[in-house]
Amino acid sequence: DIVMTQSPESLAVSLGERATINCKSSQSVLYSSDNKNYLGWYQQKPGQPPKLLIFWASTRQSGVPDRFSGSGSGTDFTLTISSLQAEDVAVYYCQQYYSTPQTFGQGTKVEI
Amino acid sequence: QITLKESGPTLVKPTQTLTLTCTFSGFSLSTNGVAVGWIRQPPGKALEWLAILYWDDDNRYSPSLKSRLTIAKDTSKNQVVLKMSNMDPVDTATYFCAHGYASGSYYDHWGQGMLVTVSS
Repeated sequence: DIVMTQSPESLAVSLGERATINCKSSQSVLYSSDNKNYLGWYQQKPGQPPKLLIFWASTRQSGVPDRFSGSGSGTDFTLTISSLQAEDVAVYYCQQYYSTPQTFGQGTKVEI
Repeated sequence: QITLKESGPTLVKPTQTLTLTCTFSGFSLSTNGVAVGWIRQPPGKALEWLAILYWDDDNRYSPSLKSRLTIAKDTSKNQVVLKMSNMDPVDTATYFCAHGYASGSYYDHWGQGMLVTVSS
């Protein structure tokens, strides 16, 4: 199984400041035949299902504010919230879908 | 507009078989490239992927749970059914179904989830 390791486990950021979450996979999730990183990012608020933010490591899902961005390739990935808003308080997960079993990181809690 | 909703028992006893139904709308599981996955989340813990069913009836299971899981679809009813046998208290979790893609199964639409408690 591919192990996804997120850091930090929790993060406190002032309103309007940048939040950066890291995700490292135990093996590359870059598929050579299509040059795509099979990596997604989700936001989960209490009592709600996860919401897809980013897929293919850097493609923003429709309707997701542009303050959310994803970067990285191979085994190291980053989710950046450029200017934290109050509504961004949540737990964030990375997911690899390069191979089954698909696996998620352990989550990063973002607070104000 | 894609929607999914999980249904089934909220309480099961140890050793029983759990049957969960995902009823969806806004897409067809007979359409090339479509998939439905099941993911669970124990209270206060991270997401755990369980299984995925593709439009062509191909499926994949979590190896750690493969012997206990069965996934199937009823295309005419727009439903996907997940069965998990020999339930244990550690299987207490919120179970989600979600819409994905065969070409890369990120999940862009999720059901609200349902909490299943395993207790005698």
